[in-house]
Amino acid sequence: QQQVKQSPQSLIVQKGGISIINCAYENTAFDYFPWYQQFPGKGPALLIAIRPDVSEKKEGRFTISFNKSAKQFSLHIMDSQPGDSATYFCAASPSGTYKYIFGTGTRLKVLA
Amino acid sequence: EAQVTQNPRYLITVTGKKLTVTCSQNMNHEYMSWYRQDPGLGLRQIYYSMNVEVTDKGDVPEGYKVSRKEKRNFPLILESPSPNQTSLYFCASRSHNSYEQYFGPGTRLTVT
Repeated sequence: QQQVKQSPQSLIVQKGGISIINCAYENTAFDYFPWYQQFPGKGPALLIAIRPDVSEKKEGRFTISFNKSAKQFSLHIMDSQPGDSATYFCAASPSGTYKYIFGTGTRLKVLA
Repeated sequence: EAQVTQNPRYLITVTGKKLTVTCSQNMNHEYMSWYRQDPGLGLRQIYYSMNVEVTDKGDVPEGYKVSRKEKRNFPLILESPSPNQTSLYFCASRSHNSYEQYFGPGTRLTVT
């Protein structure tokens, strides 16, 4: 019940294309859903995050879509660039806690 | 510059030899946490601390100890390391007022 399932494990996209990464959860107590971006040799960095009271959040080329009834959320990267090549992690945090549950990660490669 | 620092960045040790990985943040954050990252498993929370002298277990605390005697420091202690603790370790911090976590650069530990 504490798991966050992430797919796909890896993704190859052409430059200018749309990258889509999906996550699903079971615990309805989760109330914060961030996406992290990690480059090789670096720590994860917060990319964008959403709370369950909205269905979509957009920041530049990055959009989170959130479906509360389906308990799913996804990251869309529009106009994908080679510089977006990295590992992406979704995560979820239960309300009122300091716990974070991470997905298993998606390795994205954007071809020039 | 606001940052989370970890030392050492790389460590090779032998089974049973006690070690400490240090973590320090200069953002006056109340919350700090340790994660381990393993291929195919994503990041898993080991321990976290809500403030000085207040710590709690994450999802994989076995074989680890922590202490929080000062607000800026949160060391991770492996009293008797075993090969299954070979991993990439990240420290993170955040303010009570925000969900956003800031990660350190990571410590790659190998236990032989």
